[in-house]
Amino acid sequence: EPEVTQTPSHQVTQMGQEVILRCVPISNHLYFYWYRQILGQKVEFLVSFYNNEISEKSEIFDDQFSVERPDGSNFTLKIRSTKLEDSAMYFCASNGANEQYFGPGTRLTVT
Amino acid sequence: QKEVEQNSGPLSVPEGAIASLNCTYSDRGSQSFFWYRQYSGKSPELIMSIYSNGDKEDGRFTAQLNKASQYVSLLIRDSQPSDSATYLCAVELTGGGNKLTFGTGTQLKVEL
Repeated sequence: EPEVTQTPSHQVTQMGQEVILRCVPISNHLYFYWYRQILGQKVEFLVSFYNNEISEKSEIFDDQFSVERPDGSNFTLKIRSTKLEDSAMYFCASNGANEQYFGPGTRLTVT
Repeated sequence: QKEVEQNSGPLSVPEGAIASLNCTYSDRGSQSFFWYRQYSGKSPELIMSIYSNGDKEDGRFTAQLNKASQYVSLLIRDSQPSDSATYLCAVELTGGGNKLTFGTGTQLKVEL
């Protein structure tokens, strides 16, 4: 069964550094998303992406964040100048026909 | 602020019993409703979707939607210890690729 994959599974970085989180959505899906979940809190929407552009973003998704689909398969989230409060699980999701399927997540730890 | 509310639990049920999980949402424009299961440290796993009023059954799971009351629920029949997880209610404002708004989740514990 097709699934969303994410790399790395765990990323540790120092405050102020840049990180890139990678996702490979399900191959025939057209909508892609990033969500995050801070430990013990709810899953929060960051950004959605369709037809090679951002379709919606939340207040969390400020200039520190960017997304890209550099080729036909990868979908990336870049976080510039990371802060302690960026520590969270970051989930990529993709949607082919109304239902969103989540990848396993990247645990980002900012020290 | 468009909210999705769930009782955080834990909800404890004996093995073999029916577990009933509830969710309310604030935005009347919501069109699509989903239940995800999340094991500790893992990602949300889609278990049910429902789009119109009434019941939808899939195996041991039944989703119920009442748009007039802005209420969606999930029933799990013949609960098993492997059903112990956090169940997330998620709502999409309109169909076709929009963001999901999640509740905080209800922790379910199925006891032997």
